[in-house]
Amino acid sequence: DVKVTQSSRYLVKRTGEKVFLECVQDMDHENMFWYRQDPGLGLRLIYFSYDVKMKEKGDIPEGYSVSREKKERFSLILESASTNQTSMYLCASSDREDTQYFGPGTRLTVL
Amino acid sequence: GQNIDQPTEMTATEGAIVQINCTYQTSGFNGLFWYQQHAGEAPTFLSYNVLDGLEEKGRFSSFLSRSKGYSYLLLKELQMKDSASYLCAVRLPGGSYIPTFGRGTSLIVHP
Repeated sequence: DVKVTQSSRYLVKRTGEKVFLECVQDMDHENMFWYRQDPGLGLRLIYFSYDVKMKEKGDIPEGYSVSREKKERFSLILESASTNQTSMYLCASSDREDTQYFGPGTRLTVL
Repeated sequence: GQNIDQPTEMTATEGAIVQINCTYQTSGFNGLFWYQQHAGEAPTFLSYNVLDGLEEKGRFSSFLSRSKGYSYLLLKELQMKDSASYLCAVRLPGGSYIPTFGRGTSLIVHP
């Protein structure tokens, strides 16, 4: 079974802090994704990566950056957290054009 | 832009049948996914349709009409555990294979 893990289920940070969200997949998938999910807005793509050290902006990249130094790991970085970044963050991976597999999510609260 | 519409919320009775609709207006089409997401959990894959017609998988079936930009997910013999959000996602043609998600339908099954 594909397994996608995220470093934390719940995280509370203060405005202005630098925040790292880590995602690891164990199926050697090429593609990895970061989404945020908000009530009434559904899943929105922040960034994705189709290879090591490669990254592409999604629909809402502002205020975020990413890092993919190893194939299995994709990190989402909030350089200076703000209250409007309070959300559920979901990581996913897929093998080329196949189905996406999602991690359990990180519920981030920025105070 | 891409537009994917689903009802926000539906309710149904245990043992009944429910149909969750998804309509899309997108610049191209390369497949449609349905995911199930229980509260506080990751979305999990239910079905993928790329050709017109009905695909059945146990109690769940998914239908696609590309000419009408329309899909539905049919859930039979509803159980309480089917209470969840159901996400419709359309994959566009092109190299990235990334699906665009609708806002999801929250299904409440009551006794």
